[in-house]
This record gives sequence, C-alpha cells and structure tokens, in this order.
Amino acid sequence: DAGVIQSPRHEVTEMGQEVTLRCKPISGHDYLFWYRQTMMRGLELLIYFNNNVPIDDSGMPEDRFSAKMPNASFSTLKIQPSEPRDSAVYFCASSQPGLAGASLYNEQFFGPGTRLTVL
Amino acid sequence: LAKTTQPISMDSYEGQEVNITCSHNNIATNDYITWYQQFPSQGPRFIIQGYKTKVTNEVASLFIPADRKSSTLSLPRVSLSDTAVYYCLVGPPNSNSGYALNFGKGTSLLVTP
Repeated sequence: DAGVIQSPRHEVTEMGQEVTLRCKPISGHDYLFWYRQTMMRGLELLIYFNNNVPIDDSGMPEDRFSAKMPNASFSTLKIQPSEPRDSAVYFCASSQPGLAGASLYNEQFFGPGTRLTVL
Repeated sequence: LAKTTQPISMDSYEGQEVNITCSHNNIATNDYITWYQQFPSQGPRFIIQGYKTKVTNEVASLFIPADRKSSTLSLPRVSLSDTAVYYCLVGPPNSNSGYALNFGKGTSLLVTP
C-alpha cells in the first residue's frame, strides 16, 4: 500500500478563497483523522470519521471549516472562506480497529501533510 | 480526562540513552499510553503503546510505574537521526471522544555529535 495520500502538498491562496484539501486513507482502515499543526498550538485534532461517519468534530475551529468522507477511500477538508490564521500544515491519518473491536487509539498512519499558506 | 505534561525540549549527545517522561496524574483505569515521533516535515509516526509495567520494541522502551501516573519513553544510544518531536498520548481504547488525540507540542529532542 502507498500509505496515506494527501493532495496538494502545498497550497498558497489569498484570503477569502475556498481551499479544499484531499486525503486517501490506507485501504481497509476504518478510521480517518484530520489534524492541524501550527507553532502556536502544536498538533491538534480537527475531526475524525469512523466508517465514513463523522464522530467527533469538536476540534473544527468554526463554521468556515467542513469535512466530508463520501466513501471509504476519500475525504476532503474544506475551508471557505480562508483567512491568514488558517495557515498551517494539515495532516490526514488513518487507522484500523484493534483486535478487541473499535479502538480509537490504535496506531495511526499519517500522510505527508498539506502546507497551506493564506495570504 | 487525562491531561499529559511533558518537557518542551531536551538535548542529548550521540550514543547516550534518552529518557522522556510524561506526567498523567489523572489517568483512568482504561487508559492506554501511546507515544509518537515526528521528524521535520513529516507526519507523526507511532513508536510504542503500553498499559502497565514495561513494553519494548525495536525502537524504544516504555516504562510505566505501578501507579501509572507517569510514563517514560526510553531511547537507547540515540543517533542524530533521533532528532524529532516526541508526543505522549493517554486515552481509552473504546471511546468516541477524540479529546486525547490532541498531540500538543510534544518534546523536541535535539541530538548533537
């Protein structure tokens, strides 16, 4: 497997524009996570899905952020409209259930990240 | 909710053993302890996970005392390539809440010659 795939790797946009980040999880993984990393706040969880269903979106900063997972092999994180404070590295990760069933804290496999710059 | 505290940064020389301690005073009975490593410009990578006593793999060892209020990640004989940020997470296996998946800023380890 190629691992978690994210696109684009770099995105530069202007304030007010819509930004869409994409993620393809590892095949067979039931959990998908979106994270944001900044110097100020570190690495923080935005939202996670289990079997394509959003379970916890309490980390999504505001209504400008939305995430979808239309099928098991694809997810998007959208920011509309974007603002300079959204500049960060966005990571997608996936994991599979543990032997005992659902396990949120099983090993996660991270993608390479998308570096977003909003001017 | 188990809150974790770990040093912001640590320095070491090549060949030394490095121990990074994470405090989690209010760890719950069902909580597991997990450590990740993040190299510059990469996503984090799972290192080790444990519940009690000691866990060892090819990368590191994890020591957890009986009261489980802290844990120590031990890296034997570090090399320059071990320079990275190390994150400690504490949470229960079966939970719908992702509260314990906020990695924070971790411990930035710098290994020098």
